[in-house]
Amino acid sequence: GAVVSQHPSWVICKSGTSVKIECRSLDFQATTMFWYRQFPKKSLMLMATSNEGSKATYEQGVEKDKFLINHASLTLSTLTVTSAHPEDSSFYICGVKIQETQYFGPGTRLLVL
Amino acid sequence: GEDVEQSLFLSVREGDSSVINCTYTDSSSTYLYWYKQEPGAGLQLLTYIFSNMDMKQDQRLTVLLNKKDKHLSLRIADTQTGDSAIYFCAESSTNQAGTALIFGKGTTLSVSS
Repeated sequence: GAVVSQHPSWVICKSGTSVKIECRSLDFQATTMFWYRQFPKKSLMLMATSNEGSKATYEQGVEKDKFLINHASLTLSTLTVTSAHPEDSSFYICGVKIQETQYFGPGTRLLVL
Repeated sequence: GEDVEQSLFLSVREGDSSVINCTYTDSSSTYLYWYKQEPGAGLQLLTYIFSNMDMKQDQRLTVLLNKKDKHLSLRIADTQTGDSAIYFCAESSTNQAGTALIFGKGTTLSVSS
């Protein structure tokens, strides 16, 4: 399977600051990457679909100006949480689509104080 | 809309078989997946099945698909304590942005020795 990394794995920030999370596909080129959010003891919620070289497609209810996604290359997608608030604290996971499957990164835990 | 349902908990003894069940709603799903998530980690793809198959076996894992009833199951033979984790069922769902995954809420498998 594909190897997907995320950086950072943990981040604690103050309310009002912005946080950037990177997702890298280490051994495959990925035209499509996905960003999910997972609340404690809950399922993964798809936030947006990121296609290389084009604008991301956001799911209903996800603010595109708050969660900025950039997919500038076939191996890197970034999610920036702008003006973070405590309610943005969550576990963010990226997925990389390789043929018919998705492989996931190890996740980034964000805590906004 | 699409929905994936799973039972929330399953407790088994080491050496027994575990069966985790899942129902889904999107009959057009091309693939169905099982992922494993250990505490604080990302999702590990365990196996997946093409919708025109009714069974797939991979070492200790057996996936059964009943497309008529939209029912998917994962059987783990000779369950070990290392199998304790959350297991997510997912169906593929195609939207305007591409094909994303719709996840169930996850089944927590607890294996006692």
